[in-house]
Amino acid sequence: GAGVSQSPSNKVTEKGKDVELRCDPISGHTALYWYRQSLGQGLEFLIYFQGNSAPDKSGLPSDRFSAERTGGSVSTLTIQRTQQEDSAVYLCASSFTGTDPNFGPGTRLTVL
Amino acid sequence: GENVGLHLPTLSVQEGDNSIINCAYSNSASDYFIWYKQESGKGPQFIIDIRSNMDKRQGQRVTVLLNKTVKHLSLQIAATQPGDSAVYFCAESLPNTGFQKLVFGTGTRLLVSP
Repeated sequence: GAGVSQSPSNKVTEKGKDVELRCDPISGHTALYWYRQSLGQGLEFLIYFQGNSAPDKSGLPSDRFSAERTGGSVSTLTIQRTQQEDSAVYLCASSFTGTDPNFGPGTRLTVL
Repeated sequence: GENVGLHLPTLSVQEGDNSIINCAYSNSASDYFIWYKQESGKGPQFIIDIRSNMDKRQGQRVTVLLNKTVKHLSLQIAATQPGDSAVYFCAESLPNTGFQKLVFGTGTRLLVSP
């Protein structure tokens, strides 16, 4: 595919369960970003990966959130012990260094 | 993702009108600004950008104006078309961070009637 892909597109889970959200960036892109988009809000920065550098995790809202990027490609965002306030659309983006991020379609997470 | 924001400010225009979408940004030291368009079911899409050393930049049918004095950004769309209907976000880049950590506004929904 030509763009960033994310899976699943929709995820419904129960409060307290763990979830994993996957991002497949555009091939060759060195930078990868996760943002969260809550109802009525703009996008909220979560985490940024750049090559082999240590990720910028300053946007992660709590220690229940973590992300990894394996082999400089696919990334997984994990939310442990989900809470209802975690319900949002989680957007992944990728880019070459110094260029604007290309966003994926997002994963809509609903925590019941 | 689907468009969020049932309570987003909304601008309704007729096809062919010019549209102006406004945004107030937060950090007077921000040095780079971007407008994004988000259609239903999709992620945000880059429209146009402007650096803080400029006050105007034009693209195809779009113009971005930057007023640093009042920390205001606007997006002008000429001859608005139904395909322009979407949610529009401004984003600012904190100093020396490039695209690394964009700060987004809450968005404006543009509705274009045929």
